[in-house]
Amino acid sequence: AQTVTQSQPEMSVQEAETVTLSCTYDTSESNYYLFWYKQPPSRQMILVIRQEAYKQQNATENRFSVNFQKAAKSFSLKISDSQLGDTAMYFCAFMKLKDSSYKLIFGSGTRLLVRP
Amino acid sequence: ETGVTQTPRHLVMGMTNKKSLKCEQHLGHNAMYWYKQSAKKPLELMFVYNFKEQTENNSVPSRFSPECPNSSHLFLHLHTLQPEDSALYLCASSQDLTSGGAYGELFFGEGSRLTVL
Repeated sequence: AQTVTQSQPEMSVQEAETVTLSCTYDTSESNYYLFWYKQPPSRQMILVIRQEAYKQQNATENRFSVNFQKAAKSFSLKISDSQLGDTAMYFCAFMKLKDSSYKLIFGSGTRLLVRP
Repeated sequence: ETGVTQTPRHLVMGMTNKKSLKCEQHLGHNAMYWYKQSAKKPLELMFVYNFKEQTENNSVPSRFSPECPNSSHLFLHLHTLQPEDSALYLCASSQDLTSGGAYGELFFGEGSRLTVL
């Protein structure tokens, strides 16, 4: 069975600085997807960034980028130029490529506070 | 209308009550999901419906009963719950893979906060 581990329950960063959130996962699959989702306080969870395991190039979305280390089964999220609106719970998630529906397996989350 | 709407936002019920959570999506998606979010625990997938057919029941106790009358609506019927069932219940939808949906992109509602006394 697949598992996703986020070892940092809470993190804090100064506005405009850079922060990295950690995620490790365990799987015997060779083809899969990894995701970071963001859940702002009392708001809907939204997709931040997605990485296909067969792609070596790390995904980037504006200020968000990932460091995907397939051999180490590590998938960290880097947020550059942190903004107050980045304050949220961040969830790392895994999905097998061969699933017929989106059965995402989530980690327990990291609460990020961006300080003014 | 926001993409995925859940009602009620908050619900308090006794262990002998029967209540229902409702989810509606206005995105034209074909798949809908129920997740349970408890404090300091990973989100737990409960049920998946694809084109109104249940495709996943993740060993959920029978006191939770889902219903999907059409691709836009999803219900979670609750009866004789336990205090440990108190959690945030999230509904999500997605385009199915055969329709060219973007892999892994779930669209979530804001959740229904359930408290069982």
